[in-house]
Amino acid sequence: EAQVTQNPRYLITVTGKKLTVTCSQNMNHEYMSWYRQDPGLGLRQIYYSMNVEVTDKGDVPEGYKVSRKEKRNFPLILESPSPNQTSLYFCASSLYLAHYEQYFGPGTRLTVT
Amino acid sequence: AQSVTQPDIHITVSEGASLELRCNYSYGATPYLFWYVQSPGQGLQLLLKYFSGDTLVQGIKGFEAEFKRSQSSFNLRKPSVHWSDAAEYFCAVVLIELGDTGKLIFGQGTTLQVKP
Repeated sequence: EAQVTQNPRYLITVTGKKLTVTCSQNMNHEYMSWYRQDPGLGLRQIYYSMNVEVTDKGDVPEGYKVSRKEKRNFPLILESPSPNQTSLYFCASSLYLAHYEQYFGPGTRLTVT
Repeated sequence: AQSVTQPDIHITVSEGASLELRCNYSYGATPYLFWYVQSPGQGLQLLLKYFSGDTLVQGIKGFEAEFKRSQSSFNLRKPSVHWSDAAEYFCAVVLIELGDTGKLIFGQGTTLQVKP
């Protein structure tokens, strides 16, 4: 089944403790992206990648890192999480660019205390 | 400021009634336009998109949207709403003419409640 998977689905952590949220797609998509969703703000793009080893900042990249070493994986790294990064995170992928249909993962609910 | 605006945060309609969700954008160029839907506890799914050509586009689940350049709008419509349409709806743009092919910019979202 074609899908985007994220792990973990739920995570509660403390301020400053490094964490990684994994994202994987099995559709051989070139483009992958991370978003955070907050009430009243919609989805905001954190980082995106148009291909392996090519990443770029979205609108809210501060406090996040990404890497794209393989086509199928695009992990999101929070080196030193803070409470303002408490949010619902979505990974998405598409065939080539942002204007191709985005396929979204199920989301990761992160709470930073 | 450049933005995508969905003026209605929350809309309630009766089942069987018609629906219109509003979306306006404020950019110097005409962007590529999208509507995505998020069912409770799910990721987002593409409903429809507009790049060019016929300004009335058809999507999945019986939805359609009309692009109006003069009003910088891309409103989503459905003639008869079903209870299963209850969800959050997001308008989104890609600023192709500005060369920003990697960024997908979302509006704030509209939550649709359907009354039986």
